[in-house]
Amino acid sequence: DTEVTQTPKHLVMGMTNKKSLKCEQHMGHRAMYWYKQKAKKPPELMFVYSYEKLSINESVPSRFSPECPNSSLLNLHLHALQPEDSALYLCASSQEGVWTSMGAFFGQGTRLTVV
Amino acid sequence: ELKVEQNPLFLSMQEGKNYTIYCNYSTTSDRLYWYRQDPGKSLESLFVLLSNGAVKQEGRLMASLDTKARLSTLHITAAVHDLSATYFCAVDITDMRFGAGTRLTVKP
Repeated sequence: DTEVTQTPKHLVMGMTNKKSLKCEQHMGHRAMYWYKQKAKKPPELMFVYSYEKLSINESVPSRFSPECPNSSLLNLHLHALQPEDSALYLCASSQEGVWTSMGAFFGQGTRLTVV
Repeated sequence: ELKVEQNPLFLSMQEGKNYTIYCNYSTTSDRLYWYRQDPGKSLESLFVLLSNGAVKQEGRLMASLDTKARLSTLHITAAVHDLSATYFCAVDITDMRFGAGTRLTVKP
């Protein structure tokens, strides 16, 4: 199994809603990532979890709250988002906290629209 | 701060032609990655380059890495329409940064 599975694939939420994005991998990877990608732009790193501990937080607003319940799961909790937060949110995983010989595996993404 | 620069940002090619995409980065690294992204889709890993002088080939694509020059190239040979996509290079030091991407269109 070399997949990173993200749910939901699409999400429309109001600015007062609370929602969560989920990511799961069963490759035994110990590092998991959240990226945000706006249209026609490269992915931007948001958070890195290494061995279930938050190791990198790229100055992301507190309305985004990551959680890593175990080594296979990664959540991104969303609250009071703004329309400019609409983007493709990508989850990725890698063997260790750096990509090393296999690189990172990316999920299919969640297309988020904030209305 | 690590900077990763790709050029060109846009590339329109005729089928059957050859071209090269360049990726420069600002800080010493011996790990560089190439990804492909189709519109609305996720990123597909193409190549992982882990040492100076590394060269990898898959089909019509060939990637190389010169760590001394901090330069990687992605060479396209005899382009076909199916290669139309956005190609990203990425460098991994303490964090993982992508270049801006090269949007490739291959025309018949």
